[in-house]
Amino acid sequence: EEQLVESGGGLVQPGGSLTLSCLASGLTISSYWMTWVRQAPGKGLEWVALIKGDGSDKLYVDSVKGRFTISRDNAKNSLYLQMSNLRADDTAVYYCAAERVGDFDLWGQGSMVTVSS
Amino acid sequence: QAGLTQPPSVSKDLRQTATLTCTGNGDNVGDQGAAWLQQHQGHPPKLLSYRNNNRASGISERVSASRSGDTASLTITGLQPEDEADYYCSAWDSSLRAWVFGGGTKLTVL
Repeated sequence: EEQLVESGGGLVQPGGSLTLSCLASGLTISSYWMTWVRQAPGKGLEWVALIKGDGSDKLYVDSVKGRFTISRDNAKNSLYLQMSNLRADDTAVYYCAAERVGDFDLWGQGSMVTVSS
Repeated sequence: QAGLTQPPSVSKDLRQTATLTCTGNGDNVGDQGAAWLQQHQGHPPKLLSYRNNNRASGISERVSASRSGDTASLTITGLQPEDEADYYCSAWDSSLRAWVFGGGTKLTVL
């Protein structure tokens, strides 16, 4: 079965840091664009960042530029999101998703990040 | 980054047809179309249709997507209780170089 599993979420204080991981199984992600999407409690979906298959191109939503870094380790079939200087409005469920045919056609179950003192 | 526009809610009777809309501009929906995702409460989103309007794998033939200009539409026929969910559209914005989502439509099946 093809699946993506996120980990690394939790409670962090404002200004703190956290790194999310997304491990793929049943598929090889090296040729796919991979994306992080978040969803604040009771809100809609917000695209956060994406990375090309070979890691050579990375894009971010304006609100996280300079604070978040997307990366991948294709040898480990994994995707990462390093988050720093976290703010209360970063509180959300963070999903990783694979763009296998140009759209978000495989999603993980999500990892909750809560930024609070 | 500007998002796509979806009506917040749509209500339809069981076995009726619902058409959900998603409006963008020439840099996103009008350029490459919009994909559609379904999300049930407490679950991750699931892709229903691609930007080229093809259904994703395993999706019912009751679901179809189309586009006219800068507006994409998702039509679900023969509504069933399990169709009650939140529906999101997404599109690549070639000007922003970013993915954009609609705010979501909550579909209620009466």
